[in-house]
Amino acid sequence: SQKIEQNSEALNIQEGKTATLTCNYTNYSPAYLQWYRQDPGRGPVFLLLIRENEKEKRKERLKVTFDTTLKQSLFHITASQPADSATYLCALSGGSYIPTFGRGTSLIVHP
Amino acid sequence: SQTIHQWPATLVQPVGSPLSLECTVEGTSNPNLYWYRQAAGRGLQLLFYSVGIGQISSEVPQNLSASRPQDRQFILSSKKLLLSDSGFYLCAWRRQGQASQPQHFGDGTRLSIL
Repeated sequence: SQKIEQNSEALNIQEGKTATLTCNYTNYSPAYLQWYRQDPGRGPVFLLLIRENEKEKRKERLKVTFDTTLKQSLFHITASQPADSATYLCALSGGSYIPTFGRGTSLIVHP
Repeated sequence: SQTIHQWPATLVQPVGSPLSLECTVEGTSNPNLYWYRQAAGRGLQLLFYSVGIGQISSEVPQNLSASRPQDRQFILSSKKLLLSDSGFYLCAWRRQGQASQPQHFGDGTRLSIL
């Protein structure tokens, strides 16, 4: 069955450093991979989408890579700020309208 | 621009009572609509999705049901709540027919069953 793995342990980093979150998947050939941010008690908010034929996508301080050979996506936040503290979810989708979400990784940026 | 509304934000219900959670979308037409449940520390569990009025697909057999009486209205219901129905319920929409489009979520309903 399809499986998405995100590190269940919280990632703690110092302000100003680059945060790197990982999303690994198995038994899946997604056409699209998405990253969302979720704050406590709120719904997820879409951040970035990358297609299977794209290696990298950037948006301001965010960068996503997608390696279909390794079956892995990396999500980077450069010059991290305490306001970046949240849970980050990856989601995979193929040709259907039902994406599969990972459980998310909590990021804590310390001032 | 498009917006999605969910209510209520929090709800405390006794076991055995009925449930009705409502979700409406504005600013778009014929969206795909979704109901998810998120348990603490767990991922998003898809409960129901709908591609049109009256068209509901259930992903997980359970004590819940969903209905779509209007194009931009999605309702999650139960006749008799169980303790295991507690959780964070999220509604989401997505543009019809475009697999590359992201989902857009409401702010959820925190449901506690006593």
